Amino acid sequence: NAGVTQTPKFRILKIGQSMTLQCAQDMNHNYMYWYRQDPGMGLKLIYYSVGAGITDKGEVPNGYNVSRSTTEDFPLRLELAAPSQTSVYFCASSYRLAGGSYEQYFGPGTRLTVT
Amino acid sequence: DAKTTQPNSMESNEEEPVHLPCNHSTISGTDYIHWYRQLPSQGPEYVIHGLTSNVNNRMASLAIAEDRKSSTLILHRATLRDAAVYYCILRVRSGGGADGLTFGKGTHLIIQP
Repeated sequence: NAGVTQTPKFRILKIGQSMTLQCAQDMNHNYMYWYRQDPGMGLKLIYYSVGAGITDKGEVPNGYNVSRSTTEDFPLRLELAAPSQTSVYFCASSYRLAGGSYEQYFGPGTRLTVT
Repeated sequence: DAKTTQPNSMESNEEEPVHLPCNHSTISGTDYIHWYRQLPSQGPEYVIHGLTSNVNNRMASLAIAEDRKSSTLILHRATLRDAAVYYCILRVRSGGGADGLTFGKGTHLIIQP
């Protein structure tokens, strides 16, 4: 299994440009997540999805959109890039552990710079 | 989510045990204690989790205080590859798994050769 894959690895955007960060998982996990990590900080949840066709906002959703048309894919869209969106973006998926809790698998991240 | 408190950084020597503490005095009875770690330039990875009893797996051990207000992640024999930021996170037991993890700043573990 490839696990969670993300593309691109790096991207530089100009202010006002748009882009889509791609995320795919091949573990048949229902739950998927997008996080951002600013320098020296922990991760913050942007959006999550409990299955195809169902998404919901996390802690910091402003400026982003998501869709989930298949179990495998969960792209994140930036419509009008702003310098405040300069960050490292991580996608994750999860499954249920024995005993009722969940383990999340993370992708390698996309480093985005907006100038 | 209930709050956790961890030291900003810790240092240890290679091949020695490491004890990483976490305080969670406002933990509720339904909160699982999770540990993740993040190696440099990588995404976080799951280490271990527990509810009430001490837990062991191939990566580490988790010691949970009897009152559950603190826990300790134990790396039995640290290697240079264990240098990472370690996050202690509380998760609600009844959650459907759909809610995300709440990451603090974690503990930056430095391993000296």
